[in-house]
Amino acid sequence: QQPVQSPQAVILREGEDAVINCSSSKALYSVHWYRQKHGEAPVFLMILLKGGEQKGHEKISASFNEKKQQSSLYLTASQLSYSGTYFCGTVIKAAGNKLTFGGGTRVLVKP
Amino acid sequence: DTAVSQTPKYLVTQMGNDKSIKCEQNLGHDTMYWYKQDSKKFLKIMFSYNNKELIINETVPNRFSPKSPDKAHLNLHINSLELGDSAVYFCASSQVLGSQSSYNSPLHFGNGTRLTVT
Repeated sequence: QQPVQSPQAVILREGEDAVINCSSSKALYSVHWYRQKHGEAPVFLMILLKGGEQKGHEKISASFNEKKQQSSLYLTASQLSYSGTYFCGTVIKAAGNKLTFGGGTRVLVKP
Repeated sequence: DTAVSQTPKYLVTQMGNDKSIKCEQNLGHDTMYWYKQDSKKFLKIMFSYNNKELIINETVPNRFSPKSPDKAHLNLHINSLELGDSAVYFCASSQVLGSQSSYNSPLHFGNGTRLTVT
């Protein structure tokens, strides 16, 4: 029931864009996105609750395709501060309150 | 003010010992969690409490026993520590809105406790 994230890692130059994908084999209530910097706690970015919903945080945005049980996180005009590991978390309709995280995507933004 | 605080930050101990990790949140949330993050960064839920009641109990060895004396505190006691228990343990909290599940509530994580079993 763990969502699958891709790619596992991405290296960017400052100003470049990237997309991180998160997919589930089960119907979803919601998708969460978190970022974790090295040695720190995961920090909440956004929650998507409805199909077609899009949200933004700084120049980071996300979309949720409820029918495909997929979400994508878009890093636009990346900054050095975007480096870290991004986790998607999903709440499956058959699994109640449980938020299950994907394996993470390591993002490194270079000058 | 730290919203979710865990102690200790680092814990180094030998196999077979018993240890505890404490967590406190001052956000007024009614749901708290323990997550384990292994060396590959995989974050796995262990337990969840809502208003002191256990609501999620994943397949975790019986050596792990959570306790919630009130809704602001969630402690984790581990008996007979094993090498495989080495990981970072994160406490988190969220606010469940009314009768809805916590699927729409963000998690606020503590800074983690790095447990090393030698």
